[in-house]
Amino acid sequence: QQPVQSPQAVILREGEDAVINCSSSKALYSVHWYRQKHGEAPVFLMILLKGGEQKGHEKISASFNEKKQQSSLYLTASQLSYSGTYFCGTEVMGTSYDKVIFGPGTSLSVIP
Amino acid sequence: SQTIHQWPATLVQPVGSPLSLECTVEGTSNPNLYWYRQAAGRGLQLLFYSVGIGQISSEVPQNLSASRPQDRQFILSSKKLLLSDSGFYLCAWSSQGNNSPLHFGNGTRLTVT
Repeated sequence: QQPVQSPQAVILREGEDAVINCSSSKALYSVHWYRQKHGEAPVFLMILLKGGEQKGHEKISASFNEKKQQSSLYLTASQLSYSGTYFCGTEVMGTSYDKVIFGPGTSLSVIP
Repeated sequence: SQTIHQWPATLVQPVGSPLSLECTVEGTSNPNLYWYRQAAGRGLQLLFYSVGIGQISSEVPQNLSASRPQDRQFILSSKKLLLSDSGFYLCAWSSQGNNSPLHFGNGTRLTVT
């Protein structure tokens, strides 16, 4: 039931772009995205609902393909502050509302 | 505004000792409450979640238990800790409904020796 994330890790130079993918074998209500800095708690980035919407937050945006049960997080013109581990969290249809299961995470390192 | 408090920040406990971690939320009512565990360098494993007082859903069979004695209080307990219980324990809350983000506490780093 845990979603799959890819890639497992990525290293970028400042200004480069990255895409992180999250997929589920189950139909989803929603997909959440969080970023966690080392030793800190995860911080909410955005949530996408079924319906194939796309959201943006400055240079970070995401999409949700309801038919494929896949979500992608897009980081453009990366900054050093984007470094961290990115987790997608999924709410699966047919299960309890509000139960959020996280993927294994994608480690992103931005270097000068 | 809503705040979440989690304590202690760090804890070192011997194998076989009991555990009690507490989490409280302020500024909201009837929140969903969660306990996640993160092993070193690993992902977030859902342990328990609660949609109301006395309502606890357990996700992973283990020697841990959770209780919600009050609306905004969530407690994680163990009678006898195992080495494998070491990790970063995170409490989180969300509003009722399936479009609500999780808001995490600062976590408790537990080392079982």
